[in-house]
Amino acid sequence: SQELEQSPQSLIVQEGKNLTINCTSSKTLYGLYWYKQKYGEGLIFLMMLQKGGEEKSHEKITAKLDEKKQQSSLHITASQPSHAGIYLCGADMQGSNYKLTFGKGTLLTVNP
Amino acid sequence: ETGVTQSPTHLIKTRGQQVTLRCSSQSGHNTVSWYQQALGQGPQFIFQYYREEENGRGNFPPRFSGLQFPNYSSELNVNALELNDSALYLCASSSGTGGAIEKLFFGSGTQLSVL
Repeated sequence: SQELEQSPQSLIVQEGKNLTINCTSSKTLYGLYWYKQKYGEGLIFLMMLQKGGEEKSHEKITAKLDEKKQQSSLHITASQPSHAGIYLCGADMQGSNYKLTFGKGTLLTVNP
Repeated sequence: ETGVTQSPTHLIKTRGQQVTLRCSSQSGHNTVSWYQQALGQGPQFIFQYYREEENGRGNFPPRFSGLQFPNYSSELNVNALELNDSALYLCASSSGTGGAIEKLFFGSGTQLSVL
């Protein structure tokens, strides 16, 4: 099984709707990173969470880290077509040894 | 725009050939990591270089090798290419100490196709 599970795998929403993407780790989390990727392109950094209970927001995107549950969520409020893309969570987890472990990503489509 | 540049953007090779991918780090960054992203998957860690030395490696065979230069730019070399080496190769730089993970800045990637 995957060390870092993302759900859902894909999501189609109507413009203006809210949505949440989840990322669950099988190991203790030391840090959780959210990135956005356009198909076939590089990763764009969104947010980094390092403390249990930490919550960060940027524009209409909010990310939270639940250390006890070894889980993070990414919430987008009032989605826009510009939010479309692949959202990836990456984790610094127990036994990482200098690497980020990534989930498979969530493909978000926002219909106008 | 992250300031991390990769070249080439696309590359087509045949099985058994060798390939070199290049990465120029963001100014001030001394750590470079390479990731392989197969279609529909998340990036997989290949290795990391800190001050010209490899200081972390993922589950990739020795035919994947790398270099980091004094100006902190980097190369990824893959020998004896196999069909399943076809993927997007991502370079990421950071201003770390070679230990704890710092925020990674990714380049746009090199799309490698092996025929």
